[in-house]
Amino acid sequence: IAGITQAPTSQILAAGRRMTLRCTQDMRHNAMYWYRQDLGLGLRLIHYSNTAGTTGKGEVPDGYSVSRANTDDFPLTLASAVPSQTSVYFCASSDSTGGTDTQYFGPGTRLTVL
Amino acid sequence: GQNIDQPTEMTATEGAIVQINCTYQTSGFNGLFWYQQHAGEAPTFLSYNVLDGLEEKGRFSSFLSRSKGYSYLLLKELQMKDSASYLCACMDSNYQLIWGAGTKLIIKP
Repeated sequence: IAGITQAPTSQILAAGRRMTLRCTQDMRHNAMYWYRQDLGLGLRLIHYSNTAGTTGKGEVPDGYSVSRANTDDFPLTLASAVPSQTSVYFCASSDSTGGTDTQYFGPGTRLTVL
Repeated sequence: GQNIDQPTEMTATEGAIVQINCTYQTSGFNGLFWYQQHAGEAPTFLSYNVLDGLEEKGRFSSFLSRSKGYSYLLLKELQMKDSASYLCACMDSNYQLIWGAGTKLIIKP
């Protein structure tokens, strides 16, 4: 693994179903983030984690949950998907212990909820 | 509220120079980032400014004026591969990134 990986690459999901988007990084970054990107809007932060064992809510957390059991993994769960959650989801990580906090992104998951 | 403004779309000619502007209003300021995003791909880091002035990296330069809440990304010697969206983002007082909607840059031969 090099950098950040996300799975699946894309998914079509029926409304009401539960779905977990996976994110793994091998850079030993302490901080990780989940964003959604919709046409015409900037990236919007869903949830974040500053370090393993802690999580926080971003700008648009409703309908989503996260966990951070270890440094490398940061899964995002949609408990009961709705069509408004159709979007491209990006996971990112950064080393926020000093320096510029530059965020590095995974390749994204394109999710369609019908 | 917090706001990042940048033009929706710009067009430029191969070999020319283009300047993409970004204005921001955030609660606190801990730096400004520019990212490049090709269609269907992830954003990739281009530059970071936290002090006023110009940062140069090859064909790309980024400028910041904190007093004016203003930044620009300057791309020189444009190549067709520079066709992409350019995202401006500010880090607020909570060290969270606030993102603009992005500027789609179209390069014509």
